[in-house]
Amino acid sequence: GENVEQHPSTLSVQEGDSAVIKCTYSDSASNYFPWYKQELGKRPQLIIDIRSNVGEKKDQRIAVTLNKTAKHFSLHITETQPEDSAVYFCAASIPSGGSYIPTFGRGTSLIVHP
Amino acid sequence: NAGVTQTPKFRILKIGQSMTLQCTQDMNHNYMYWYRQDPGMGLKLIYYSVGAGITDKGEVPNGYNVSRSTTEDFPLRLELAAPSQTSVYFCASRSGRSGGIYEQYFGPGTRLTVT
Repeated sequence: GENVEQHPSTLSVQEGDSAVIKCTYSDSASNYFPWYKQELGKRPQLIIDIRSNVGEKKDQRIAVTLNKTAKHFSLHITETQPEDSAVYFCAASIPSGGSYIPTFGRGTSLIVHP
Repeated sequence: NAGVTQTPKFRILKIGQSMTLQCTQDMNHNYMYWYRQDPGMGLKLIYYSVGAGITDKGEVPNGYNVSRSTTEDFPLRLELAAPSQTSVYFCASRSGRSGGIYEQYFGPGTRLTVT
């Protein structure tokens, strides 16, 4: 099955700095890569996603890059703010019978210090 | 729309007891999923469904059962609860309309403790 590695497990930055979280996946059949933000005690919420036919996608301060050859993708957050503090999860999704099966990374706890 | 709702929010079970976690969505989504999230870990897929009457196993299905008799509801059944099933359970749904809409919407979660 698919295996997703996510690094780092904890990331501490100063407000205004950039943050980068990296994920690698093992199955070349994966074709959809979402990123979720989960605040303490809350449900995961999608913040950005990318399909395998695209190399980069940007939404305001958040961007995701995908390197299919190397099987890795990254989340970039610029001008971090204290409200960006949360756990971020990446996932790699394999299509299966009309649906897709996501495999999640273990998460990165981002702490933004004011 | 209420989105995805789950009940109960919290539950404590004794070893060997059974229970059903309820999940309902009012967005007319075809696809529904059950995940568990252990402390410090990502989400693990338990079961999923591509429509009413159709279910399939995910990565960690042992000890669980599901059914999908309607589009709206996707209950998760735990038989003979074990301490290893202590976790937070999330239900999610997505549309599946053509055009590649993949976003999953998550419910608020059920925190289950088995002692």
